[in-house]
Amino acid sequence: KNEVEQSPQNLTAQEGEFITINCSYSVGISALHWLQQHPGGGIVSLFMLSSGKKKHGRLIATINIQEKHSSLHITASHPRDSAVYICAVNYGGSQGNLIFGKGTKLSVKP
Amino acid sequence: NAGVTQTPKFQVLKTGQSMTLQCAQDMNHEYMSWYRQDPGMGLRLIHYSVGAGITDQGEVPNGYNVSRSTTEDFPLRLLSAAPSQTSVYFCASSGRNRGTQYFGPGTRLLVL
Repeated sequence: KNEVEQSPQNLTAQEGEFITINCSYSVGISALHWLQQHPGGGIVSLFMLSSGKKKHGRLIATINIQEKHSSLHITASHPRDSAVYICAVNYGGSQGNLIFGKGTKLSVKP
Repeated sequence: NAGVTQTPKFQVLKTGQSMTLQCAQDMNHEYMSWYRQDPGMGLRLIHYSVGAGITDQGEVPNGYNVSRSTTEDFPLRLLSAAPSQTSVYFCASSGRNRGTQYFGPGTRLLVL
Protein backbone atom coordinates (compact mmCIF):
# COMPACT_ATOMS: atom_id res chain seq x y z
CA LYS A 1 0.00 0.00 0.00
CA ASN A 2 1.31 3.43 -0.93
CA GLU A 3 1.72 5.45 2.25
CA VAL A 4 2.74 8.95 3.21
CA GLU A 5 4.17 9.50 6.68
CA GLN A 6 4.66 12.89 8.28
CA SER A 7 6.60 13.86 11.38
CA PRO A 8 6.14 15.29 13.85
CA GLN A 9 2.36 15.07 14.29
CA ASN A 10 2.37 18.16 16.50
CA LEU A 11 4.93 20.91 16.82
CA THR A 12 5.07 23.92 19.13
CA ALA A 13 7.65 26.61 18.48
CA GLN A 14 8.54 30.06 19.74
CA GLU A 15 8.31 32.97 17.37
CA GLY A 16 11.50 33.30 15.36
CA GLU A 17 12.49 29.64 15.49
CA PHE A 18 13.51 27.60 12.45
CA ILE A 19 10.98 24.84 11.81
CA THR A 20 11.29 21.58 9.90
CA ILE A 21 8.47 19.22 8.99
CA ASN A 22 9.28 15.89 7.39
CA CYS A 23 7.49 13.69 4.89
CA SER A 24 8.42 10.21 3.69
CA TYR A 25 6.73 8.01 1.14
CA SER A 26 6.97 4.37 0.17
CA VAL A 27 7.32 4.11 -3.61
CA GLY A 28 8.39 6.21 -6.54
CA ILE A 29 6.37 9.34 -7.23
CA SER A 30 5.93 11.85 -10.03
CA ALA A 31 5.43 14.85 -7.73
CA LEU A 32 5.06 15.87 -4.10
CA HIS A 33 2.84 18.64 -2.75
CA TRP A 34 2.96 20.67 0.45
CA LEU A 35 -0.34 22.17 1.52
CA GLN A 36 -1.36 24.47 4.35
CA GLN A 37 -4.67 24.20 6.17
CA HIS A 38 -5.61 27.27 8.15
CA PRO A 39 -7.43 27.06 11.50
CA GLY A 40 -10.58 28.13 9.63
CA GLY A 41 -10.30 25.00 7.50
CA GLY A 42 -9.28 26.32 4.08
CA ILE A 43 -6.52 24.43 2.23
CA VAL A 44 -3.98 26.18 0.01
CA SER A 45 -1.16 24.76 -2.05
CA LEU A 46 2.31 25.89 -0.99
CA PHE A 47 4.61 23.89 -3.26
CA MET A 48 4.64 21.21 -5.89
CA LEU A 49 8.04 19.67 -6.56
CA SER A 50 9.53 16.64 -8.24
CA SER A 51 13.20 17.32 -7.56
CA GLY A 52 15.55 19.66 -5.75
CA LYS A 53 14.38 22.65 -3.80
CA LYS A 54 11.85 25.47 -4.00
CA LYS A 55 11.61 28.67 -1.97
CA HIS A 56 8.79 31.11 -1.46
CA GLY A 57 9.33 33.85 1.08
CA ARG A 58 10.20 32.21 4.40
CA LEU A 59 9.17 28.76 3.22
CA ILE A 60 11.57 26.26 1.68
CA ALA A 61 10.69 22.80 0.40
CA THR A 62 13.21 20.14 -0.49
CA ILE A 63 12.91 16.65 -1.86
CA ASN A 64 15.36 13.71 -2.03
CA ILE A 65 14.03 11.28 -4.61
CA GLN A 66 16.52 8.53 -3.78
CA GLU A 67 15.66 8.60 -0.08
CA LYS A 68 11.92 9.13 -0.74
CA HIS A 69 11.86 12.05 1.65
CA SER A 70 10.85 15.69 1.62
CA SER A 71 11.15 18.48 4.15
CA LEU A 72 9.30 21.76 4.61
CA HIS A 73 11.28 24.46 6.40
CA ILE A 74 9.95 27.70 7.84
CA THR A 75 12.53 30.35 8.69
CA ALA A 76 11.89 33.07 11.30
CA SER A 77 8.55 31.52 12.26
CA HIS A 78 5.62 33.77 13.16
CA PRO A 79 2.32 33.10 14.95
CA ARG A 80 0.51 33.50 11.63
CA ASP A 81 2.34 30.37 10.44
CA SER A 82 0.23 28.36 12.89
CA ALA A 83 -1.65 25.85 10.76
CA VAL A 84 -1.73 22.22 9.73
CA TYR A 85 0.83 21.37 7.05
CA ILE A 86 -0.05 18.48 4.78
CA CYS A 87 2.21 16.45 2.52
CA ALA A 88 0.66 14.71 -0.50
CA VAL A 89 2.22 12.64 -3.26
CA ASN A 90 1.25 11.92 -6.82
CA TYR A 91 2.13 8.39 -7.79
CA GLY A 92 1.65 9.17 -11.44
CA GLY A 93 -0.53 7.37 -13.93
CA SER A 94 -3.24 8.89 -16.03
CA GLN A 95 -5.43 9.72 -13.08
CA GLY A 96 -2.82 11.66 -11.17
CA ASN A 97 -4.59 11.07 -7.88
CA LEU A 98 -2.98 12.22 -4.65
CA ILE A 99 -2.26 10.29 -1.45
CA PHE A 100 -2.20 12.50 1.64
CA GLY A 101 -0.32 12.39 4.91
CA LYS A 102 -2.20 13.01 8.15
CA GLY A 103 -0.72 16.45 8.58
CA THR A 104 1.51 18.23 11.07
CA LYS A 105 -0.15 20.71 13.40
CA LEU A 106 2.15 23.67 13.99
CA SER A 107 1.61 26.22 16.75
CA VAL A 108 3.93 29.21 16.93
CA LYS A 109 3.83 31.09 20.21
CA PRO A 110 4.63 34.82 20.42
CA ASN B 1 -11.71 34.32 -10.76
CA ALA B 2 -13.71 32.82 -7.92
CA GLY B 3 -11.54 29.66 -7.98
CA VAL B 4 -13.30 26.62 -6.50
CA THR B 5 -16.60 27.23 -4.79
CA GLN B 6 -18.61 24.83 -2.64
CA THR B 7 -22.11 24.99 -1.24
CA PRO B 8 -23.42 24.64 1.36
CA LYS B 9 -20.82 25.48 4.00
CA PHE B 10 -22.61 23.51 6.68
CA GLN B 11 -25.43 20.97 6.58
CA VAL B 12 -27.25 18.80 9.09
CA LEU B 13 -29.01 15.70 7.79
CA LYS B 14 -31.02 12.94 9.33
CA THR B 15 -30.07 9.33 8.65
CA GLY B 16 -31.57 8.21 5.36
CA GLN B 17 -31.92 11.67 3.83
CA SER B 18 -30.25 12.48 0.52
CA MET B 19 -28.53 15.65 -0.56
CA THR B 20 -26.15 17.09 -3.13
CA LEU B 21 -22.97 18.96 -2.34
CA GLN B 22 -22.20 21.46 -5.05
CA CYS B 23 -18.73 22.22 -6.44
CA ALA B 24 -17.82 24.58 -9.26
CA GLN B 25 -14.58 25.97 -10.68
CA ASP B 26 -13.99 28.75 -13.17
CA MET B 27 -10.40 27.92 -14.15
CA ASN B 28 -11.26 25.52 -16.99
CA HIS B 29 -9.57 22.69 -15.10
CA GLU B 30 -9.92 19.18 -16.45
CA TYR B 31 -9.33 17.34 -13.19
CA MET B 32 -11.78 17.62 -10.30
CA SER B 33 -12.01 15.54 -7.17
CA TRP B 34 -13.92 15.11 -3.93
CA TYR B 35 -12.23 14.31 -0.61
CA ARG B 36 -13.44 13.74 2.89
CA GLN B 37 -11.43 14.76 5.92
CA ASP B 38 -11.91 12.96 9.22
CA PRO B 39 -10.07 13.52 12.53
CA GLY B 40 -6.75 11.69 12.72
CA MET B 41 -6.83 10.73 9.05
CA GLY B 42 -5.47 12.24 5.90
CA LEU B 43 -7.73 13.49 3.17
CA ARG B 44 -9.27 10.53 1.36
CA LEU B 45 -10.41 10.50 -2.24
CA ILE B 46 -14.09 9.75 -2.80
CA HIS B 47 -14.56 10.26 -6.56
CA TYR B 48 -12.70 12.09 -9.28
CA SER B 49 -13.14 13.22 -12.86
CA VAL B 50 -10.55 13.76 -15.59
CA GLY B 51 -12.96 15.67 -17.82
CA ALA B 52 -16.59 16.27 -18.67
CA GLY B 53 -18.46 12.99 -18.95
CA ILE B 54 -15.71 10.98 -17.23
CA THR B 55 -15.81 9.98 -13.57
CA ASP B 56 -14.21 7.26 -11.51
CA GLN B 57 -14.10 5.95 -7.97
CA GLY B 58 -11.47 6.83 -5.43
CA GLU B 59 -10.56 5.19 -2.15
CA VAL B 60 -13.90 5.58 -0.33
CA PRO B 61 -16.74 5.78 -2.92
CA ASN B 62 -19.48 3.80 -1.18
CA GLY B 63 -22.61 5.82 -0.49
CA TYR B 64 -21.69 8.60 -2.91
CA ASN B 65 -22.44 9.35 -6.56
CA VAL B 66 -20.96 11.96 -8.88
CA SER B 67 -21.52 13.27 -12.37
CA ARG B 68 -19.62 15.69 -14.61
CA SER B 69 -21.90 17.11 -17.28
CA THR B 70 -19.81 20.28 -17.69
CA THR B 71 -16.18 21.20 -17.15
CA GLU B 72 -17.17 23.65 -14.42
CA ASP B 73 -19.42 21.58 -12.15
CA PHE B 74 -18.82 18.40 -10.18
CA PRO B 75 -21.63 17.69 -7.69
CA LEU B 76 -21.40 14.98 -5.03
CA ARG B 77 -24.59 13.16 -4.11
CA LEU B 78 -25.23 11.35 -0.86
CA LEU B 79 -27.82 8.74 -1.66
CA SER B 80 -28.97 7.80 1.85
CA ALA B 81 -27.01 9.60 4.54
CA ALA B 82 -25.45 7.62 7.39
CA PRO B 83 -23.75 8.87 10.58
CA SER B 84 -20.46 7.47 9.19
CA GLN B 85 -20.65 10.14 6.50
CA THR B 86 -20.31 12.89 9.08
CA SER B 87 -17.19 14.63 7.86
CA VAL B 88 -15.74 17.70 6.18
CA TYR B 89 -15.88 17.47 2.41
CA PHE B 90 -13.47 19.25 0.09
CA CYS B 91 -13.67 19.66 -3.64
CA ALA B 92 -10.46 20.33 -5.56
CA SER B 93 -9.39 20.96 -9.13
CA SER B 94 -6.19 21.06 -11.13
CA GLY B 95 -5.11 21.50 -14.70
CA ARG B 96 -4.13 18.96 -17.33
CA ASN B 97 -0.66 18.36 -15.85
CA ARG B 98 -2.14 17.61 -12.39
CA GLY B 99 -0.09 20.47 -11.01
CA THR B 100 -1.13 22.90 -8.33
CA GLN B 101 -4.25 21.76 -6.53
CA TYR B 102 -6.97 24.33 -5.84
CA PHE B 103 -9.32 23.52 -2.99
CA GLY B 104 -12.79 24.75 -2.22
CA PRO B 105 -13.58 26.10 1.27
CA GLY B 106 -15.15 22.82 2.40
CA THR B 107 -18.59 21.62 3.48
CA ARG B 108 -19.08 20.48 7.05
CA LEU B 109 -21.71 17.71 7.14
CA LEU B 110 -23.33 16.30 10.26
CA VAL B 111 -25.55 13.24 9.93
CA LEU B 112 -27.72 12.50 12.93
